[in-house]
Amino acid sequence: AQSVTQLDSQVPVFEEAPVELRCNYSSSVSVYLFWYVQYPNQGLQLLLKYLSGSTLVKGINGFEAEFNKSQTSFHLRKPSVHISDTAEYFCAVIDPFFNKFYFGSGTKLNVKP
Amino acid sequence: DSGVTQTPKHLITATGQRVTLRCSPRSGDLSVYWYQQSLDQGLQFLIQYYNGEERAKGNILERFSAQQFPDLHSELNLSSLELGDSALYFCASSERDYKEGHEQYFGPGTRLTVT
Repeated sequence: AQSVTQLDSQVPVFEEAPVELRCNYSSSVSVYLFWYVQYPNQGLQLLLKYLSGSTLVKGINGFEAEFNKSQTSFHLRKPSVHISDTAEYFCAVIDPFFNKFYFGSGTKLNVKP
Repeated sequence: DSGVTQTPKHLITATGQRVTLRCSPRSGDLSVYWYQQSLDQGLQFLIQYYNGEERAKGNILERFSAQQFPDLHSELNLSSLELGDSALYFCASSERDYKEGHEQYFGPGTRLTVT
């Protein structure tokens, strides 16, 4: 069965430092991959998605993610974070073959001044 | 603004009661999804409807039910409420079925408090 693992529940980082939020999934077949962000007291919104093609995907607010099929990972990165990036980030996987989709448990990014 | 609307924003009710949460998807979206988010359980997928039909089921309790109407709005019914049902309930919509890789647009949520 498919699953999504976000290895870090919380990531503290200083402003202007780089950050990587990790996401691993378990599947040997083609999947669709997403990162969503949830700001305090709001619903989730899409940061970026990978359906096919280039393995480096650029999203909104300067975020990017790299699809690594051999390591079944889709880590989210930003070279320099801002205070406003403080939020919870969710990785999501769609497995069209098994007709399932999964959200990870979320990673809380806390950007400190 | 995602274009997905949810009512009410807040709901306070007592144990044993029944409530209905309402969701209007983005214009043109055929799929509606329901999620429950709580501090201890995180984000849990409950159920999906596509063009009026149930398409996928997650961790939805038997006390909970949902439907999607011909105008594509959806309602989530929660009955015999327990304290543990207190949570934020999100509705999301997508253009087509999730199998086609469409992203989901989330509403602002309904905060349910069971006392």
